[in-house]
Amino acid sequence: EVHLEESGGGLVQPGGSLRLSCAASGFTFSSYEMNWVRQAPGKGLEWVSYISNSGYTIYYADSVKGRFTISRDNAKNSLYLQMNSLRAEDTAVYYCARNPPCGNDCSRWFDNWGQGTLVTVSS
Amino acid sequence: EIVMAQSPATLSVSPGERATLSCRASQSVSSKLAWYQQKPGQAPRLLIYDASIRATGIPARFSGSGSGTEFTLTISSLQSEDFAVYYCQQYSNWPPLTFGGGTKVEIK
Repeated sequence: EVHLEESGGGLVQPGGSLRLSCAASGFTFSSYEMNWVRQAPGKGLEWVSYISNSGYTIYYADSVKGRFTISRDNAKNSLYLQMNSLRAEDTAVYYCARNPPCGNDCSRWFDNWGQGTLVTVSS
Repeated sequence: EIVMAQSPATLSVSPGERATLSCRASQSVSSKLAWYQQKPGQAPRLLIYDASIRATGIPARFSGSGSGTEFTLTISSLQSEDFAVYYCQQYSNWPPLTFGGGTKVEIK
């Protein structure tokens, strides 16, 4: 069974940093593209970042570009999000989410999600 | 960036009735559209991908249709467990991957 478990959330002051982790199990992590998606309190879903299975291709939402860094360690079956220069508007539940396996074409819906970790940016 | 718009924002439906949710893209996404269900305090769950294909384990009362810029999620006979928020997401032209603002299906 696929399982994704986020950790590392918490309360941080504006301008501070936080590192989120996502531990994956139940599938061959190194074969799958991964993402971070966030949800501000009472709001909708916002895609944050993508990383290819090898880690060589990375994309960010404009709202976090230059401040957040996505990475992965396939040997540890783990996904990370380093968040720097945090702002109040970064307050959200952060989910790690898996893309389906690539066949002839790679599609980027999200077939499995973790339960999320809450990041609160406040003084 | 492709903007996704969902309507209505809230849909009041009685159990057993049909619910029809709409999603519109600001430009064509072909059939590269997914639907998710989210209940309070839970992560989203994939319902539909490629506009009309039900994900594993999703009941047949959920169906998706449409292509291009207009899409519909239909729940044929609402069960108590179906009251939730539903999101559409396009993956045709990215980055960024974009979601609609959601439709809340509530008990009438």
